Amino acid sequence: DQQVKQNSPSLSVQEGRISILNCDYTNSMFDYFLWYKKYPAEGPTFLISISSIKDKNEDGRFTVFLNKSAKHLSLHIVPSQPGDSAVYFCAASEGEKLTFGTGTRLTIIP
Amino acid sequence: DAGVIQSPRHEVTEMGQEVTLRCKPISGHNSLFWYRQTMMRGLELLIYFNNNVPIDDSGMPEDRFSAKMPNASFSTLKIQPSEPRDSAVYFCASKPTGSGQPQHFGDGTRLSIL
Repeated sequence: DQQVKQNSPSLSVQEGRISILNCDYTNSMFDYFLWYKKYPAEGPTFLISISSIKDKNEDGRFTVFLNKSAKHLSLHIVPSQPGDSAVYFCAASEGEKLTFGTGTRLTIIP
Repeated sequence: DAGVIQSPRHEVTEMGQEVTLRCKPISGHNSLFWYRQTMMRGLELLIYFNNNVPIDDSGMPEDRFSAKMPNASFSTLKIQPSEPRDSAVYFCASKPTGSGQPQHFGDGTRLSIL
């Protein structure tokens, strides 16, 4: 039973345009949501997070939006750059534990 | 600053052998996590420690798996005996105390059991 779902396994976006990655969850007890980026042969790297009491958090080119009523969050990257090509994981925390989605492979087309 | 350090980066061994994976967390981080990543199941939490004490090992697949954290700067994940289905990438992560603090991951150990 997947509590965190990323329904798009892959996404291709033109360089300079906006990338939007989506994530859905089922557990109302999650208190923080995080996005990680992963390059091949490396560990996931933390990108940005949002508390369950907020609806938006922005850090440079990255913005995360949270819609609690829909149990949905999204990561916006604008403008997209070639170095953004990676696998992006959505994660949700309950206390110290993280539950991860299955990831979305983002490819930025030059 | 050094991140989470895992060793070895790659391990290839024959079925039935004992495998030991090692992790050095970031200094000052109180919690340590072991994950396994496979194509079928994605990233799944195996066990986590807080202040060197195992808190939740419900993700450990079976008795062949064991984990220890003898001190704040070292942890091991052991598989004995190993089986081909244990082949996966194993990640270690650490985090400081505090809700919302992110986990920081090592680069993983790619394990292949022949």
